[in-house]
Amino acid sequence: GEDVEQSLFLSVREGDSSVINCTYTDSSSTYLYWYKQEPGAGLQLLTYIFSNMDMKQDQRLTVLLNKKDKHLSLRIADTQTGDSAIYFCAEHTGGFKTIFGAGTRLFVKA
Amino acid sequence: DVKVTQSSRYLVKRTGEKVFLECVQDMDHENMFWYRQDPGLGLRLIYFSYDVKMKEKGDIPEGYSVSREKKERFSLILESASTNQTSMYLCASGSGQGKTTNEKLFFGSGTQLSVL
Repeated sequence: GEDVEQSLFLSVREGDSSVINCTYTDSSSTYLYWYKQEPGAGLQLLTYIFSNMDMKQDQRLTVLLNKKDKHLSLRIADTQTGDSAIYFCAEHTGGFKTIFGAGTRLFVKA
Repeated sequence: DVKVTQSSRYLVKRTGEKVFLECVQDMDHENMFWYRQDPGLGLRLIYFSYDVKMKEKGDIPEGYSVSREKKERFSLILESASTNQTSMYLCASGSGQGKTTNEKLFFGSGTQLSVL
């Protein structure tokens, strides 16, 4: 069935890199997404990757996709306190449905 | 700047009341969605709509209905609110065209509903 799994918490020190991991189960997914949710706000699209790509870089963000293992990761370089938020991995399987993981809460210690 | 607006940020209702949650988008998107967000469960899809007057059930439609009379507005209705419907409700509109596989979602700020 469709399922997206990610760890619930991650704590890093300011200036370090953060790596948030996600696994998905639907091999037919063609687009995979990372969304960010700050306290009291809705979700905001951070970046996405097409399934025929292995990597995508956007400023401090790097997305890595391992299709064989159905593993997606988001690396945030030089993590800042403003990066503290919940990060959601999501897959779009075609049709109208986007499946979300439970979210990883990132704590950044000053 | 694109915008999805939800009518209420916080709402407190009593068990058995009928509840309306309104959502408006200004991006001329065809697709609109209602999710509920609960700690540890992520986002679960309640209903979605891909065109005016069209609606489809998501994963957890029981106890909910929706209305899409105009393209920009998508309403979620709780016919008879129950305590297990206490949750954060998130509306989103999507940039996809029909059943395209790249659906970028734009979310409202959410409505925290408490049913007492």
